[in-house]
This record gives sequence, C-alpha cells and structure tokens, in this order.
Amino acid sequence: DVKVTQSSRYLVKRTGEKVFLECVQDMDHENMFWYRQDPGLGLRLIYFSYDVKMKEKGDIPEGYSVSREKKERFSLILESASTNQTSMYLCASSSRIRSTEAFFGQGTRLTVV
Amino acid sequence: GNSVTQMEGPVTLSEEAFLTINCTYTATGYPSLFWYVQYPGEGLQLLLKATKADDKGSNKGFEATYRKETTSFHLEKGSVQVSDSAVYFCALSDQAGNNRKLIWGLGTSLAVNP
Repeated sequence: DVKVTQSSRYLVKRTGEKVFLECVQDMDHENMFWYRQDPGLGLRLIYFSYDVKMKEKGDIPEGYSVSREKKERFSLILESASTNQTSMYLCASSSRIRSTEAFFGQGTRLTVV
Repeated sequence: GNSVTQMEGPVTLSEEAFLTINCTYTATGYPSLFWYVQYPGEGLQLLLKATKADDKGSNKGFEATYRKETTSFHLEKGSVQVSDSAVYFCALSDQAGNNRKLIWGLGTSLAVNP
C-alpha cells in the first residue's frame, strides 16, 4: 500500500520558533509538494520539488523554506513561526509520469501561540 | 490563468439522496480534470479523473463527465451513504505549462444524515 507519512499529526509551537515539518514517501516518486489548507481558502501550494535538491516556489512561499536531500524526504521549514502560520499542512507526492495523480499524507495541524 | 470554481457548501443530504457538486473551470490548452476526496481526519485521495473531452471518470458510485463545451466537471452520485460525508475537491492539471501542479477548487463539504 502506497504511503506518504508526515511526522506529526498535531504540533504546538511558540512564536519565533524554528519549526520543521517532515514528510516521507515510499513510492519512489520524483515530485513532492507542501500545501497549507485553511477554511474558505482551500489548498494553497507553498513549495514543490521535482527532484532531489531541486525546489520551486508555489503560490505562498513567504515565511517558508524547504529541503530535499533525499528522494523520499521533503521537509518544510518555518524559519520564525508566526501566528498566521497556524494551519493544516499537507504533504503530497506524485510520479514524473503520472504527475497530477497526487498521494497525500494525513496532514499536520500546526498551532503557533 | 487557469482556475477552478466549485459550488459552495456545506451540502447536507439524507441517505440515498442524489448528489451533484458543481465544478467549472477556466483553462488554456487541454487539462486533465480530477475529483479528490478528504474524509474526516485524513489527507486527500484521488476519487476519479478524466483526461480529455467527453471522458467519464467513475469510482465508488461517483461519476463526472469532462464537458468542454460548458467547461464543467460536475460530480454526481445516485444514492449517497453516510460514509460519503467528506470534503470534495475539484482540480485541473496545468497541461499548457508545468505539468507537475494541480489547480484546486476550494472544496465542498458534504454531510449525509441517516
């Protein structure tokens, strides 16, 4: 069974902290994505990566960075967490051939206080 | 640019009712169209897709037909169950440009009562 695993279901962090959200996929997919999901705003793409060490900005990259050192792992970094980054974060992956059939993790509910 | 518009929710139905969730799109080129579903507490999963005009995608009793003339991809099910309660997202691929990204609708929440 294919799997995208996010390291935490729930996180509470303080304003100004550096936050790492980790995502691992076991499908040997080339593409990986980070979204945030907010009520009334749907899914918004933060960053995506189509290969190891490659990254591209999505629609809302401000305040975030990413790291992809290994094919199976894609990390989202909040350099200095702020309360407006309280959200549900979803990781997804897809293969190069079937690039728009995305597989999602269960999400990380991040609260910044 | 490309965009997807879904009907606003929440949609509340009784079990065995007929479901339609409207989705229309604006796109250049010939995108593929998708419906994803998010059950409570879970990530999204692909429900069905259609890759060209007049294609019908189907899965788990749900259907959607790619209508190029009306730029629509409405989701339908003849008889909903309580277990269909979820949020449904319509999406399209950016075929004209970057094929790695999906353009998402805002989602429609469905609640089915017994």
